[in-house]
Amino acid sequence: NAGVMQNPRHLVRRRGQEARLRCSPMKGHSHVYWYRQLPEEGLKFMVYLQKENIIDESGMPKERFSAEFPKEGPSILRIQQVVRGDSAAYFCASSPGGDLNTEAFFGQGTRLTVV
Amino acid sequence: TQLLEQSPQFLSIQEGENLTVYCNSSSVFSSLQWYRQEPGEGPVLLVTVVTGGEVKKLKRLTFQFGDARKDSSLHITAAQPGDTGLYLCAGAQGAQKLVFGQGTRLTINP
Repeated sequence: NAGVMQNPRHLVRRRGQEARLRCSPMKGHSHVYWYRQLPEEGLKFMVYLQKENIIDESGMPKERFSAEFPKEGPSILRIQQVVRGDSAAYFCASSPGGDLNTEAFFGQGTRLTVV
Repeated sequence: TQLLEQSPQFLSIQEGENLTVYCNSSSVFSSLQWYRQEPGEGPVLLVTVVTGGEVKKLKRLTFQFGDARKDSSLHITAAQPGDTGLYLCAGAQGAQKLVFGQGTRLTINP
């Protein structure tokens, strides 16, 4: 049973370009969470999605950031017109139900560098 | 927004020593989780504590949840170089959101 798969592992974008980060949850998991980690800091919640629905996007910046989890395929975190401050590690987690009091599994992350 | 404060932020000790990492908040969490993160990797769950006062042991690691469910500690006995890493505590904010501490970077010197 493969774990949470994120790709790419590393992504370099120039300022103003778009970044697309993909997350395939564990088999049987229909709940996906995205977190961002700045250097030497803990993870910060961004968005929680179920298939085809955004449940909680309270941690998402109001502009340039969007997320989706389509019926088929991976969840996508999209950052438009990237700026240097977007450089960070972006982690995806999945759970079988929408209850993080039990267990959530994290992927290995995508490290975004904006140059 | 609920905040979790971890202390110390950095800890470097000799192999064989004991250590305790603390995770404190003024807010109550429904559960608290401890993760370990290696460089370039995602966090890996070590334990989840749910009940106030709960103590869980994982080999040389002992995790405790405070009676009021506002704080937690991680105690490592006879630390080994393989314990080196970033330890993160995370409180569940309801069922659907984790609030992470800033982490404790632990270095065990041979």
